[in-house]
Amino acid sequence: EAGVAQSPRYKIIEKRQSVAFWCNPISGHATLYWYQQILGQGPKLLIQFQNNGVVDDSQLPKDRFSAERLKGVDSTLKIQPAKLEDSAVYLCASSLHEKLFFGSGTQLSVL
Amino acid sequence: AQSVTQLDSHVSVSEGTPVLLRCNYSSSYSPSLFWYVQHPNKGLQLLLKYTSAATLVKGINGFEAEFKKSETSFHLTKPSAHMSDAAEYFCVVRKTSYDKVIFGPGTSLSVIP
Repeated sequence: EAGVAQSPRYKIIEKRQSVAFWCNPISGHATLYWYQQILGQGPKLLIQFQNNGVVDDSQLPKDRFSAERLKGVDSTLKIQPAKLEDSAVYLCASSLHEKLFFGSGTQLSVL
Repeated sequence: AQSVTQLDSHVSVSEGTPVLLRCNYSSSYSPSLFWYVQHPNKGLQLLLKYTSAATLVKGINGFEAEFKKSETSFHLTKPSAHMSDAAEYFCVVRKTSYDKVIFGPGTSLSVIP
């Protein structure tokens, strides 16, 4: 079974630039999550989709972050413009029932 | 609102001795509870889950956790630590299958030879 795919694996940008991350969940998984994990902290939920609808985005900084899940499959997370404090690993996960399957993440460094 | 507290940010044990990682949760419902492990430079892996069946849950790699509603706790234990257990451990709470998944801050486990 193919896992959750994320790209790119690493990204280095300068502050005020834009960046986008891509996630392809496990086939058939209706729920998709984006988490931000800052070094030394637990993952923080940014946004959760059920199919192509948003279930929760209460912790998404909407002035600079946006996410979409077209057709209820792939998803992209965008940051525009990036700040230094956005440096983190961005994790995508998907689930069919209760168990979450995580991708390997995108490590973002903002200089 | 749901929340998760992991009482120790770092735990250090000797190889072969028991492991105890503590977790307390706050939820207005009987939640589903999980433990995930994250090894350095690797993805998050599910260790075990509690979903209102047996209160003592067995997971992979010899880990188990006991759900205690009266104490709102879900502590993770292992009888004998192995060097390969050194990792970051996260306690996770979820209200329903479609509710948001909340991670605790994590406990870093070190195993001393």
